[in-house]
Amino acid sequence: SQKIEQNSEALNIQEGKTATLTCNYTNYSPAYLQWYRQDPGRGPVFLLLIRENEKEKRKERLKVTFDTTLKQSLFHITASQPADSATYLCALDIYNQGGKLIFGQGTELSVKP
Amino acid sequence: DGGITQSPKYLFRKEGQNVTLSCEQNLNHDAMYWYRQDPGQGLRLIYYSQIVNDFQKGDIAEGYSVSREKKESFPLTVTSAQKNPTAFYLCASSIPGPNQPQHFGDGTRLSIL
Repeated sequence: SQKIEQNSEALNIQEGKTATLTCNYTNYSPAYLQWYRQDPGRGPVFLLLIRENEKEKRKERLKVTFDTTLKQSLFHITASQPADSATYLCALDIYNQGGKLIFGQGTELSVKP
Repeated sequence: DGGITQSPKYLFRKEGQNVTLSCEQNLNHDAMYWYRQDPGQGLRLIYYSQIVNDFQKGDIAEGYSVSREKKESFPLTVTSAQKNPTAFYLCASSIPGPNQPQHFGDGTRLSIL
């Protein structure tokens, strides 16, 4: 069966450390992978998109990797801050699906001062 | 500022009632989407529309209906046939096709009285 899984347990880290979130998938062949941030009671906000032929993408303190052999994406936040505390969602953009996204369940990140 | 507006923020339904959730966007996007989010779960696609006067069922369309008479608007009706309607409903829009981020509203929380 097709599955997309993120760290199910909340991730607690200390301010200033690097947070690493994982997104694994099976039986999909995504063309792209997107990461979103969601705050409680709000809609997700787009952060980064990475293509299947890109190994790594960076934006300020954010870095995303995409390994189609391992079927895994890693999302890193360097020099984390309490304001980074939120739930982070990965989403697969599958070939020939017209832009439909398949979302993981999200990982809750808590950054302590 | 361009964006997506969902209303109301909170909605209560009695057994046997149909309710309609509003979604309006001024981003000039052709594609619009409705998702359902339950605690600890990812977003699940209910319906989507790539262009005015056309829409397709998503993964969990049973008990829901939509219309797309205007580019800016994509209302979702939760019918009495939906047996477990309590959830957080999110509307999104995008440029149609792959490799496009989706822009989300801030959701409507529907509860059963």
